[in-house]
Amino acid sequence: GENVEQHPSTLSVQEGDSAVIKCTYSDSASNYFPWYKQELGKRPQLIIDIRSNVGEKKDQRIAVTLNKTAKHFSLHITETQPEDSAVYFCAASDSGNTPLVFGKGTRLSVIA
Amino acid sequence: DAGVIQSPRHEVTEMGQEVTLRCKPISGHNSLFWYRQTMMRGLELLIYFNNNVPIDDSGMPEDRFSAKMPNASFSTLKIQPSEPRDSAVYFCASIIGGGFGYTFGSGTRLTVV
Repeated sequence: GENVEQHPSTLSVQEGDSAVIKCTYSDSASNYFPWYKQELGKRPQLIIDIRSNVGEKKDQRIAVTLNKTAKHFSLHITETQPEDSAVYFCAASDSGNTPLVFGKGTRLSVIA
Repeated sequence: DAGVIQSPRHEVTEMGQEVTLRCKPISGHNSLFWYRQTMMRGLELLIYFNNNVPIDDSGMPEDRFSAKMPNASFSTLKIQPSEPRDSAVYFCASIIGGGFGYTFGSGTRLTVV
């Protein structure tokens, strides 16, 4: 089955700097890669996703890149703000409504 | 739309007691997933349903865990008997057929003492 590895487990950045979180996956059949943000005590919320037919997707300050050959994908947050502080999870699946396999999460702290 | 609704939000129970967690998916969503979240193991899939039919329950940790989806608008996850190691946050999520991106419920924080 699919295995998703996520790094780093914790990340501290100064406000205004960029943050990068990386994930690798094992199953070449995976073609859907979402990212979720989870604030303390709250539910995971989808912030951006990418499918295997594209290599990069942007939404304002966040972007995701995908390298299917190397089986890795990354989340990039630019101009970080204190409200970006949360745990971020990457995930993978082979279609939209089959189960997502999640990485272990990255705790991002943005220091003002 | 009220989103995915889970109840209760918090449950504290004594070891050995039966616990039932409830989930109402978003109307029209035909896939439902139960996950368990702990610090050590992250988000683990327990079981999922398509069109009310259980598809994969290989993530259910033991026979003490069971799940049902009697209709398109309701699912339960039952633990009987509960043990302290079952303490975790249990999330339900749903998605529409052919869609992408789950919507999670607010979760149930279970504490077994």
